[in-house]
Amino acid sequence: KQEVTQIPAALSVPEGENLVLNCSFTDSAIYNLQWFRQDPGKGLTSLLLIQSSQREQTSGRLNASLDKSSGRSTLYIAASQPGDSATYLCAVLFIQGGSEKLVFGKGTKLTVNP
Amino acid sequence: GAGVSQSPSNKVTEKGKDVELRCDPISGHTALYWYRQSLGQGLEFLIYFQGNSAPDKSGLPSDRFSAERTGGSVSTLTIQRTQQEDSAVYLCASSAWGGSGLFFGSGTQLSVL
Repeated sequence: KQEVTQIPAALSVPEGENLVLNCSFTDSAIYNLQWFRQDPGKGLTSLLLIQSSQREQTSGRLNASLDKSSGRSTLYIAASQPGDSATYLCAVLFIQGGSEKLVFGKGTKLTVNP
Repeated sequence: GAGVSQSPSNKVTEKGKDVELRCDPISGHTALYWYRQSLGQGLEFLIYFQGNSAPDKSGLPSDRFSAERTGGSVSTLTIQRTQQEDSAVYLCASSAWGGSGLFFGSGTQLSVL
């Protein structure tokens, strides 16, 4: 069964700290992995998309890495700010026969304290 | 359109009524997904379309739920004889192809009284 796990479920840090969110998946046959942010009561906003052939992607203070062979991805947030407080979701697009299957982790709820 | 559009944004209905939720994907996107998110919970997969066909319906919770997609574009999720446990945010997402990444709409907040 294709599963995606995110650890920790919740994280609270002081402003300015660098932090790492973790995502693991059970099957290395993937098209890509995508990190999303969800604010309370809102939809999902795409942060970074890493193709299966890539090792990392960067956008501003965010850096996402992908190690397909070990089934792991990390989202690194530098110099965290209170505005970064949100739930971060990892989604893996698995190759399934002639089709695809998108599986989400349950998310990490991040709180950055001023 | 510029993004994935869902309507209505909010829907309040009485238990036992039928509801239809609409999703307009980004133009040209062939893949379309429906998810459900209950308060404080993670995303629950409902159904996936590739073009007009649905290769994966495994997430539909019961036979009261159905979905269709026409013209490879607009999709409608129908819930018949709604129950209170159907109350949730229903999210739609689309992508151009397997590797292009997913874009979400803002969702429909469904409340069944």
